[in-house]
Amino acid sequence: DGGITQSPKYLFRKEGQNVTLSCEQNLNHDAMYWYRQDPGQGLRLIYYSQIVNDFQKGDIAEGYSVSREKKESFPLTVTSAQKNPTAFYLCASSIVGTSGGVINEQFFGPGTRLTVL
Amino acid sequence: GQNIDQPTEMTATEGAIVQINCTYQTSGFNGLFWYQQHAGEAPTFLSYNVLDGLEEKGRFSSFLSRSKGYSYLLLKELQMKDSASYLCAVVDSNYQLIWGAGTKLIIKP
Repeated sequence: DGGITQSPKYLFRKEGQNVTLSCEQNLNHDAMYWYRQDPGQGLRLIYYSQIVNDFQKGDIAEGYSVSREKKESFPLTVTSAQKNPTAFYLCASSIVGTSGGVINEQFFGPGTRLTVL
Repeated sequence: GQNIDQPTEMTATEGAIVQINCTYQTSGFNGLFWYQQHAGEAPTFLSYNVLDGLEEKGRFSSFLSRSKGYSYLLLKELQMKDSASYLCAVVDSNYQLIWGAGTKLIIKP
């Protein structure tokens, strides 16, 4: 079955620790995205990548880092510099439209709920 | 600035019809998405509108008026499983997705 997997589903970390969230897709999509979702707010884009070895900052990239060494994988590291990291993190993927941007349906993983203690 | 407005919460009765509105002010427009998200789960795609008019897909329909910056999602023959949040998202002139905060729909028997 094609899809996107995220692990772990729940993650707890102590303040001051870095943590890496996994995202893997087998949909053969070129584009991958990381979003943060907080109660009462829309999805906010952290980072996105349209091709291997290339990625761009989204609206709230500060305190986060990513890598895109393989087409299938787009891990997100939440660093100690992120001041309020407790949130629900969603990874998504899509094909890249002929316009080069987001015009196609995004497929989402099940999410990781990160809690900082 | 860019803005997407949706009602925070709506309540409807099983078997009835409900309309969820979305208004937007964005820098350009290249389409509008509706997604459904059950609590604690991933959003799933419902519809995509880029031209004015109504798109029907089973019990769900989505309408777009670009001149009014307005869309709605119409859900018919409501079922308990339709209890979820419904997210509106607009593709702006830079082909970036701008997301609304979502509308939580509560279905009562």
